[in-house]
Amino acid sequence: EDKVVQSPLSLVVHEGDTVTLNCSYEVTNFRSLLWYKQEKKAPTFLFMLTSSGIEKKSGRLSSILDKKELFSILNITATQTGDSAVYLCAVDPGNAGNMLTFGGGTRLMVKP
Amino acid sequence: KAGVTQTPRYLIKTRGQQVTLSCSPISGHRSVSWYQQTPGQGLQFLFEYFSETQRNKGNFPGRFSGRQFSNSRSEMNVSTLELGDSALYLCASSFWGSSHEQYFGPGTRLTVT
Repeated sequence: EDKVVQSPLSLVVHEGDTVTLNCSYEVTNFRSLLWYKQEKKAPTFLFMLTSSGIEKKSGRLSSILDKKELFSILNITATQTGDSAVYLCAVDPGNAGNMLTFGGGTRLMVKP
Repeated sequence: KAGVTQTPRYLIKTRGQQVTLSCSPISGHRSVSWYQQTPGQGLQFLFEYFSETQRNKGNFPGRFSGRQFSNSRSEMNVSTLELGDSALYLCASSFWGSSHEQYFGPGTRLTVT
């Protein structure tokens, strides 16, 4: 059975801190790994990673994938209160269409 | 361009009843996926429809079913509701079916009493 595990479950930091969120996976088939941010209801897309060692960056957020060790990390530097959310990691097995396996998420709270 | 809409946003049902949830994708999108989100199990894939055909199905009992209409709008139905079906039901749409281009709706919060 495909499995995606995220750690830590939750995290409380202060504005300006840097955080690292972890995602490990054990899946039968792998096409890509995706990161989403969920604030209130709808998850919003952050990154898609397909190749090992290539960092994706968007502002203060960055992510990297290690396909040999089967994990990914999401870094957020200079955190802001607006970064408070649940961060979800998901694996796309590459079947035709959409069929994501999600991790349980990491709840991040950034205090002023 | 309007986003993904889901109706109703909140629903309370009794055990044994059935429920139908609706999802209208972004205009032009042909793929609609459904997910169930609970505190215990997280986000789990239910099924995906593309051009009115079910293309993928998750590991849920047959009480969970869905369909897609010619205008790409989709409905999911849950029959004989159980307490454990209480969850946030999210749908996501995309044009061709590429996961990174999925756009999620706000969800329907279903409570079964």
